[in-house]
Amino acid sequence: KNEVEQSPQNLTAQEGEFITINCSYSVGISALHWLQQHPGGGIVSLFMLSSGKKKHGRLIATINIQEKHSSLHITASHPRDSAVYICAVRTSGSRLTFGEGTQLTVNP
Amino acid sequence: NAGVTQTPKFQVLKTGQSMTLQCAQDMNHNSMYWYRQDPGMGLRLIYYSASEGTTDKGEVPNGYNVSRLNKREFSLRLESAAPSQTSVYFCASNPEGGSLRAFFGQGTRLTVV
Repeated sequence: KNEVEQSPQNLTAQEGEFITINCSYSVGISALHWLQQHPGGGIVSLFMLSSGKKKHGRLIATINIQEKHSSLHITASHPRDSAVYICAVRTSGSRLTFGEGTQLTVNP
Repeated sequence: NAGVTQTPKFQVLKTGQSMTLQCAQDMNHNSMYWYRQDPGMGLRLIYYSASEGTTDKGEVPNGYNVSRLNKREFSLRLESAAPSQTSVYFCASNPEGGSLRAFFGQGTRLTVV
């Protein structure tokens, strides 16, 4: 069993829909990252959080440390949000452990 | 401010050839990392460097060597490439051990034939 599990693996939505991607982890962490990988391959860090909730534009990330669970929400989704979203947790020292990613496709 | 720069972006090697992937960051970060990304397996850590002059093995270090000659640069070397090393490689950096966001390079798509 992977230390970081994401769901769903694939997600297709219509433009404007509210989207949720989930991440569960089984180890103690110091922080959790949400990353976005564009179709061209580049990876961008969206959020780093260790408690509570963060918001940036239409993106919201939440984490529940007790339940070892985080969610990434996208409001009013748009085709340009189509990408792979990756959850990563920081465990010992400076090392990250990654989930396998969620492929999101938003259709116009 | 270029962030994290990786070269090359694409490379095809024959089995047994050697090559070095270069990575440089201009953000004065202490920690730098090399990952490989394979379908169905996510990103896996090959090697990392917590500071200039130090390197440590990650999950999948076999077949690779690294060099952190200065704070800016962290290179990954394949001494004798194998088809199993066909992958997309990412370099990343962050300023502290665990407190701040990570920055990634654009990736190197390597094919070993």
